[in-house]
Amino acid sequence: DQQVKQNSPSLSVQEGRISILNCDYTNSMFDYFLWYKKYPAEGPTFLISISSIKDKNEDGRFTVFLNKSAKHLSLHIVPSQPGDSAVYFCAASPYNNNDMRFGAGTRLTVKP
Amino acid sequence: NAGVMQNPRHLVRRRGQEARLRCSPMKGHSHVYWYRQLPEEGLKFMVYLQKENIIDESGMPKERFSAEFPKEGPSILRIQQVVRGDSAAYFCASSPWASGRDLHEQYFGPGTRLTVT
Repeated sequence: DQQVKQNSPSLSVQEGRISILNCDYTNSMFDYFLWYKKYPAEGPTFLISISSIKDKNEDGRFTVFLNKSAKHLSLHIVPSQPGDSAVYFCAASPYNNNDMRFGAGTRLTVKP
Repeated sequence: NAGVMQNPRHLVRRRGQEARLRCSPMKGHSHVYWYRQLPEEGLKFMVYLQKENIIDESGMPKERFSAEFPKEGPSILRIQQVVRGDSAAYFCASSPWASGRDLHEQYFGPGTRLTVT
């Protein structure tokens, strides 16, 4: 049961442009959402999160948008840098529950 | 994710053997989570442990898999009688507090890649 879906397995953007990574979920009980970045041969690293009481959270070049009615969230990276090239995982969980569900990931390549 | 240690990084086992995966959480962290990533799939939650207690094992397969987090030493994920379908990357994460609305960060280790031949 894929409750968190990242439908784009890969994304390629030019350095300096905006990267938009998308994530859809089906479980209406989810109310906390996170993005993780993963480099090859390393574990995922927490990037940014958002709770369902917000629709936007910004941290430097990274902004996460949440559309609860559409059950959709997105991660915007602007401007994109070559060092941002990695696999990005979207994750979601219900409040106070440890069963965090991850998407399959989107491989972002930022070309110099 | 600096600080969460997993070993071995790569483990090869023949069908029917046992696999033991170790996770040492970050200093000061008493909550450990295990995840499995099958090829081409996302991470899937397996089990959540505190020291000497299993809090949530809803993601653990019913047979052959077990986990512990003793008072002293690392957390262990144990897979008995491994089968080819167990081949995956197993990630451990730790946090200093139980996951909650505002404190929902887990620090991941580099993972153990298990290959069953």
